[in-house]
Amino acid sequence: GENVEQHPSTLSVQEGDSAVIKCTYSDSASNYFPWYKQELGKGPQLIIDIRSNVGEKKDQRIAVTLNKTAKHFSLHITETQPEDSAVYFCAASNQGGSYIPTFGRGTSLIVHP
Amino acid sequence: GAGVSQTPSNKVTEKGKYVELRCDPISGHTALYWYRQSLGQGPEFLIYFQGTGAADDSGLPNDRFFAVRPEGSVSTLKIQRTERGDSAVYLCASSFGAVQETQYFGPGTRLLVL
Repeated sequence: GENVEQHPSTLSVQEGDSAVIKCTYSDSASNYFPWYKQELGKGPQLIIDIRSNVGEKKDQRIAVTLNKTAKHFSLHITETQPEDSAVYFCAASNQGGSYIPTFGRGTSLIVHP
Repeated sequence: GAGVSQTPSNKVTEKGKYVELRCDPISGHTALYWYRQSLGQGPEFLIYFQGTGAADDSGLPNDRFFAVRPEGSVSTLKIQRTERGDSAVYLCASSFGAVQETQYFGPGTRLLVL
């Protein structure tokens, strides 16, 4: 089955800095890569996703890049704000196959004001 | 509009007891998913419903776990003879149609088995 590794487990930045979270996956058949933000006491919320037919996607301050050859994808947050503080999860799934996402272990992002 | 709701928000039970966890999906969403999230981990898939039927239950850890969705809306996750290792946050998500659609998560039920 799919295995998703996520790094770092904790990331501390100053407000205004950029933050990068990286994930690798093992199954070359995976073709859908969502990113979720989970705040304390809440369920994960989809913030951005990318499919394997594109290499990069951007939405305001967040962007995701995908390298299919290396089987890794990354989340980039620019101009971080304290409200960005949360746990971020990457996931990978095969939309034409088992389709159920496999999640990484999460990255706790702390943005210091 | 209303999101996915789950009840109870917290549940404390004793080892060996039976528990039921409820999920109320977004109105009109035909797909419903259950996940389990242990401390410091990402969500792990348990079971997926399309309408009333369980389309994929490959994530259920053993036969103590069972889920139903009799009318294609509300779902109940049932755990028999609870064990301390069952302690986790149980998340429910729903999506409009097929699994390719965006999944919307509820806040979860925090289960503690003493």
